Amino acid sequence: AQSVTQLDSQVPVFEEAPVELRCNYSSSVSVYLFWYVQYPNQGLQLLLKYLSGSTLVKGINGFEAEFNKSQTSFHLRKPSVHISDTAEYFCAVSDRGSSNTGKLIFGQGTTLQVKP
Amino acid sequence: ETGVTQTPRHLVMGMTNKKSLKCEQHLGHNAMYWYKQSAKKPLELMFVYNFKEQTENNSVPSRFSPECPNSSHLFLHLHTLQPEDSALYLCASSQDGQGTEAFFGQGTRLTVV
Repeated sequence: AQSVTQLDSQVPVFEEAPVELRCNYSSSVSVYLFWYVQYPNQGLQLLLKYLSGSTLVKGINGFEAEFNKSQTSFHLRKPSVHISDTAEYFCAVSDRGSSNTGKLIFGQGTTLQVKP
Repeated sequence: ETGVTQTPRHLVMGMTNKKSLKCEQHLGHNAMYWYKQSAKKPLELMFVYNFKEQTENNSVPSRFSPECPNSSHLFLHLHTLQPEDSALYLCASSQDGQGTEAFFGQGTRLTVV
C-alpha cells in the first residue's frame, strides 16, 4: 500500500527567506508525485508534478521540487517566499500501475506561515 | 477559475435531513472522485468513478451514496448523517483515471447539527 509522510506539520518562515517542505513516500510500484496548495476556504490547486524525465520539476509561483528515488522523497522548495505563500501544502502520490484508478494518496499537510 | 464546480459551497443540515452535493466538470475528463477533508486529518478518498462506473468505494458508510449519471456530473447524496461527518467535501476529476493529475473543485463545507 502507498503512503505519504510530510515531516513537518507547520513551517514558520520570514518573508524573503528560503523554505523547504519535506515529503517522503512509500510504494511498491512506480509512482507519480504531486504538490498541491490549499488557501483558506478553497479547494486544492496543483503546484507541480513529477511524471517522468528530469527529477527537478518547476511549478507555479516559483516553487520547485526534486524527485529522489533512492530516498523516496519529493521535497518542495522556494528560494524566497512571500506573505501570499501562506497556505496549506499537500504532497500526494498515485500509482502508475495498470490497475490504478487514478486516486491520489495525500500526506497530512504542512502549514506554511510566512511572517513579515 | 476552476474547471470543476461544486454546489453548494456551504451546507448546514440536521441529522434527519436528506441533501445532495453536486459536482460538475467542464474539462472533458473521464474520471471523477469524492474526497473528505476533516480537520487535523489527511484527505480521505471516498469514491472513484471511471467512465461513469464506480471503481472504488473506500469503505464509506452507506449514509453516503454517490451517483454519476454521466462523465461530467457527480453527486453525493447524504442522509442520516452524524456530527462527525462535518467536513469539507472535495470533488476532483482527471483525464483518464491513470493518475497523472487531478483537478479539484472548491469544496462544500458541510456542517451536521
